[in-house]
Amino acid sequence: QVQLVQSGAEVRKPGASVKVSCKASGYTFTNSYINWVRQAAGQGLEWMGWENPDNDYTGYTQKFQDRVTMTRNISISTAYMELSSLRSEDTAVYYCASGRFPNRWGQGTLVTVSS
Amino acid sequence: DIVMAQTPLSLSVTPGQPASISCKSSQSLLHSDGKTYLYWYLQRPGQSPQLLIYEVSNRFSGVPDRFSGSGSGTDFTLKITRVEAEDVGVYYCMQGMQLPRTFGQGTKVEIK
Repeated sequence: QVQLVQSGAEVRKPGASVKVSCKASGYTFTNSYINWVRQAAGQGLEWMGWENPDNDYTGYTQKFQDRVTMTRNISISTAYMELSSLRSEDTAVYYCASGRFPNRWGQGTLVTVSS
Repeated sequence: DIVMAQTPLSLSVTPGQPASISCKSSQSLLHSDGKTYLYWYLQRPGQSPQLLIYEVSNRFSGVPDRFSGSGSGTDFTLKITRVEAEDVGVYYCMQGMQLPRTFGQGTKVEIK
Protein backbone atom coordinates (compact mmCIF):
# COMPACT_ATOMS: atom_id res chain seq x y z
CA GLN A 1 0.00 0.00 0.00
CA VAL A 2 1.07 3.61 -0.53
CA GLN A 3 2.98 4.93 2.44
CA LEU A 4 4.78 8.19 3.14
CA VAL A 5 7.10 8.21 6.14
CA GLN A 6 8.48 11.54 7.30
CA SER A 7 11.53 12.40 9.37
CA GLY A 8 11.29 13.18 13.06
CA ALA A 9 10.58 16.36 14.98
CA GLU A 10 13.06 19.24 14.74
CA VAL A 11 13.89 22.24 16.90
CA ARG A 12 15.62 25.24 15.37
CA LYS A 13 16.57 28.76 16.40
CA PRO A 14 15.23 31.77 14.50
CA GLY A 15 17.19 32.40 11.33
CA ALA A 16 18.22 28.76 10.90
CA SER A 17 17.07 26.27 8.26
CA VAL A 18 15.32 22.92 8.50
CA LYS A 19 15.09 20.05 6.02
CA VAL A 20 12.25 17.54 6.30
CA SER A 21 12.27 14.25 4.42
CA CYS A 22 9.42 12.13 3.10
CA LYS A 23 10.13 8.55 2.04
CA ALA A 24 7.59 7.02 -0.32
CA SER A 25 6.78 3.37 -0.84
CA GLY A 26 4.06 1.26 -2.44
CA TYR A 27 4.00 3.10 -5.76
CA THR A 28 6.34 4.35 -8.47
CA PHE A 29 7.87 7.46 -6.94
CA THR A 30 8.34 9.30 -10.24
CA ASN A 31 4.67 8.87 -11.17
CA SER A 32 3.24 11.26 -8.61
CA TYR A 33 3.65 14.82 -7.38
CA ILE A 34 4.69 15.42 -3.79
CA ASN A 35 2.86 18.27 -2.06
CA TRP A 36 3.96 19.99 1.13
CA VAL A 37 1.27 21.32 3.48
CA ARG A 38 1.76 22.85 6.89
CA GLN A 39 -0.48 23.32 9.91
CA ALA A 40 0.21 25.57 12.87
CA ALA A 41 -1.18 24.44 16.20
CA GLY A 42 -4.96 24.74 16.26
CA GLN A 43 -5.00 26.20 12.75
CA GLY A 44 -6.02 25.08 9.29
CA LEU A 45 -4.11 23.60 6.39
CA GLU A 46 -1.74 25.71 4.28
CA TRP A 47 -0.41 24.42 0.95
CA MET A 48 3.23 25.39 0.47
CA GLY A 49 4.06 23.93 -2.91
CA TRP A 50 4.82 20.78 -4.82
CA GLU A 51 7.40 18.91 -6.83
CA ASN A 52 7.09 16.53 -9.72
CA PRO A 53 9.72 13.85 -8.98
CA ASP A 54 9.73 12.82 -12.63
CA ASN A 55 11.13 16.06 -14.01
CA ASP A 56 12.14 18.12 -10.98
CA TYR A 57 9.45 20.72 -11.72
CA THR A 58 8.56 22.67 -8.61
CA GLY A 59 5.85 25.19 -7.82
CA TYR A 60 5.77 27.24 -4.64
CA THR A 61 3.21 29.47 -3.00
CA GLN A 62 4.36 33.07 -3.32
CA LYS A 63 4.46 33.41 0.46
CA PHE A 64 7.29 30.85 0.64
CA GLN A 65 8.91 31.48 -2.73
CA ASP A 66 12.10 33.00 -1.32
CA ARG A 67 12.60 30.58 1.55
CA VAL A 68 11.53 27.09 0.46
CA THR A 69 13.27 24.48 -1.68
CA MET A 70 11.70 21.16 -2.61
CA THR A 71 13.93 18.42 -3.96
CA ARG A 72 14.01 14.67 -4.37
CA ASN A 73 16.32 11.68 -4.51
CA ILE A 74 14.77 9.22 -6.92
CA SER A 75 17.19 6.42 -6.03
CA ILE A 76 15.75 6.24 -2.51
CA SER A 77 12.19 7.44 -3.33
CA THR A 78 12.53 10.36 -0.96
CA ALA A 79 11.33 13.95 -1.23
CA TYR A 80 12.70 16.84 0.80
CA MET A 81 11.40 20.23 1.85
CA GLU A 82 13.90 22.77 3.15
CA LEU A 83 12.72 26.02 4.74
CA SER A 84 15.25 28.73 5.53
CA SER A 85 15.34 31.95 7.57
CA LEU A 86 13.02 30.38 10.11
CA ARG A 87 10.91 32.52 12.39
CA SER A 88 8.63 31.66 15.28
CA GLU A 89 5.59 31.76 12.98
CA ASP A 90 7.03 28.77 11.09
CA THR A 91 6.40 26.54 14.10
CA ALA A 92 4.01 23.98 12.69
CA VAL A 93 3.47 20.40 11.62
CA TYR A 94 4.68 19.88 8.06
CA TYR A 95 3.04 17.20 5.94
CA CYS A 96 4.01 15.65 2.64
CA ALA A 97 1.20 14.27 0.50
CA SER A 98 1.35 12.43 -2.81
CA GLY A 99 -0.68 13.10 -5.90
CA ARG A 100 -1.53 15.93 -8.23
CA PHE A 101 -4.29 16.48 -5.67
CA PRO A 102 -3.10 15.32 -2.24
CA ASN A 103 -4.44 11.84 -1.62
CA ARG A 104 -1.99 9.97 0.60
CA TRP A 105 -0.40 11.85 3.49
CA GLY A 106 2.65 11.36 5.66
CA GLN A 107 2.39 11.33 9.44
CA GLY A 108 3.64 14.91 9.76
CA THR A 109 6.82 16.44 11.15
CA LEU A 110 6.70 18.98 13.97
CA VAL A 111 9.13 21.85 13.44
CA THR A 112 9.57 24.13 16.44
CA VAL A 113 11.31 27.48 16.03
CA SER A 114 12.37 28.92 19.34
CA SER A 115 15.26 30.89 20.74
CA ASP B 1 -5.76 33.04 -5.04
CA ILE B 2 -9.09 31.24 -4.85
CA VAL B 3 -10.74 31.72 -1.47
CA MET B 4 -12.64 28.79 0.01
CA ALA B 5 -15.31 29.48 2.63
CA GLN B 6 -16.91 26.75 4.72
CA THR B 7 -20.06 26.85 6.82
CA PRO B 8 -20.70 26.10 9.56
CA LEU B 9 -17.36 26.25 11.34
CA SER B 10 -18.56 23.81 13.96
CA LEU B 11 -21.26 21.18 14.13
CA SER B 12 -22.54 19.00 16.96
CA VAL B 13 -24.39 15.92 15.76
CA THR B 14 -26.28 13.10 17.44
CA PRO B 15 -25.01 9.67 16.34
CA GLY B 16 -27.16 8.26 13.57
CA GLN B 17 -28.31 11.70 12.45
CA PRO B 18 -27.27 13.39 9.20
CA ALA B 19 -24.77 16.22 8.84
CA SER B 20 -24.05 18.66 6.06
CA ILE B 21 -21.16 21.03 5.39
CA SER B 22 -21.13 23.76 2.77
CA CYS B 23 -18.11 25.04 0.86
CA LYS B 24 -18.11 28.03 -1.47
CA SER B 25 -15.28 29.08 -3.75
CA SER B 26 -14.52 32.62 -4.93
CA GLN B 27 -14.17 31.38 -8.51
CA SER B 28 -15.69 28.55 -10.48
CA LEU B 29 -13.89 25.24 -10.06
CA LEU B 30 -15.14 23.92 -13.40
CA HIS B 31 -12.15 23.35 -15.63
CA SER B 32 -12.18 23.46 -19.42
CA ASP B 33 -11.53 19.70 -19.36
CA GLY B 34 -15.04 19.25 -17.95
CA LYS B 35 -13.92 18.25 -14.47
CA THR B 36 -14.64 20.21 -11.32
CA TYR B 37 -11.67 20.25 -8.97
CA LEU B 38 -13.16 20.24 -5.49
CA TYR B 39 -11.90 17.91 -2.75
CA TRP B 40 -12.97 17.03 0.80
CA TYR B 41 -10.64 15.92 3.59
CA LEU B 42 -11.16 14.72 7.15
CA GLN B 43 -8.57 15.27 9.84
CA ARG B 44 -9.34 13.16 12.88
CA PRO B 45 -7.93 14.36 16.21
CA GLY B 46 -4.18 13.84 16.33
CA GLN B 47 -4.02 12.40 12.81
CA SER B 48 -3.00 13.48 9.33
CA PRO B 49 -5.70 14.61 6.93
CA GLN B 50 -7.23 11.92 4.74
CA LEU B 51 -8.92 12.32 1.39
CA LEU B 52 -12.64 11.56 1.43
CA ILE B 53 -14.02 12.92 -1.83
CA TYR B 54 -12.35 13.98 -5.07
CA GLU B 55 -13.74 15.96 -7.99
CA VAL B 56 -16.91 16.90 -6.10
CA SER B 57 -18.59 13.54 -5.72
CA ASN B 58 -16.17 10.61 -6.05
CA ARG B 59 -15.42 8.69 -2.88
CA PHE B 60 -11.75 7.86 -2.40
CA SER B 61 -10.63 4.29 -1.79
CA GLY B 62 -12.05 2.86 1.42
CA VAL B 63 -14.36 5.77 2.22
CA PRO B 64 -17.76 4.59 3.53
CA ASP B 65 -20.78 5.28 1.37
CA ARG B 66 -22.42 7.36 4.13
CA PHE B 67 -20.19 10.18 2.83
CA SER B 68 -21.32 11.93 -0.33
CA GLY B 69 -20.38 15.11 -2.15
CA SER B 70 -22.37 17.29 -4.49
CA GLY B 71 -22.37 20.70 -6.09
CA SER B 72 -21.13 22.59 -9.09
CA GLY B 73 -19.41 25.80 -10.09
CA THR B 74 -18.76 27.59 -6.81
CA ASP B 75 -21.13 25.86 -4.36
CA PHE B 76 -20.46 22.45 -2.86
CA THR B 77 -21.78 20.25 -0.07
CA LEU B 78 -20.47 17.29 1.89
CA LYS B 79 -23.13 15.11 3.47
CA ILE B 80 -22.91 12.35 6.01
CA THR B 81 -26.11 10.31 6.01
CA ARG B 82 -25.71 8.85 9.51
CA VAL B 83 -22.91 10.23 11.64
CA GLU B 84 -20.81 7.74 13.57
CA ALA B 85 -18.37 8.31 16.42
CA GLU B 86 -15.39 7.83 14.11
CA ASP B 87 -16.54 10.78 11.97
CA VAL B 88 -15.39 13.25 14.62
CA GLY B 89 -12.75 15.68 13.43
CA VAL B 90 -12.24 18.68 11.19
CA TYR B 91 -13.44 18.62 7.60
CA TYR B 92 -11.73 20.71 4.96
CA CYS B 93 -12.62 21.46 1.38
CA MET B 94 -9.81 22.21 -1.08
CA GLN B 95 -9.74 23.57 -4.60
CA GLY B 96 -7.52 22.01 -7.23
CA MET B 97 -8.46 24.40 -10.01
CA GLN B 98 -5.35 26.52 -9.85
CA LEU B 99 -2.14 27.08 -7.92
CA PRO B 100 -1.75 27.64 -5.09
CA ARG B 101 -4.09 24.99 -3.76
CA THR B 102 -6.25 26.56 -1.07
CA PHE B 103 -8.30 25.08 1.73
CA GLY B 104 -11.40 26.16 3.54
CA GLN B 105 -11.09 27.16 7.21
CA GLY B 106 -12.31 23.78 8.34
CA THR B 107 -15.52 22.57 10.00
CA LYS B 108 -15.18 20.88 13.37
CA VAL B 109 -17.65 18.02 13.82
CA GLU B 110 -18.29 16.65 17.27
CA ILE B 111 -20.70 14.10 18.66
CA LYS B 112 -23.45 15.16 21.07
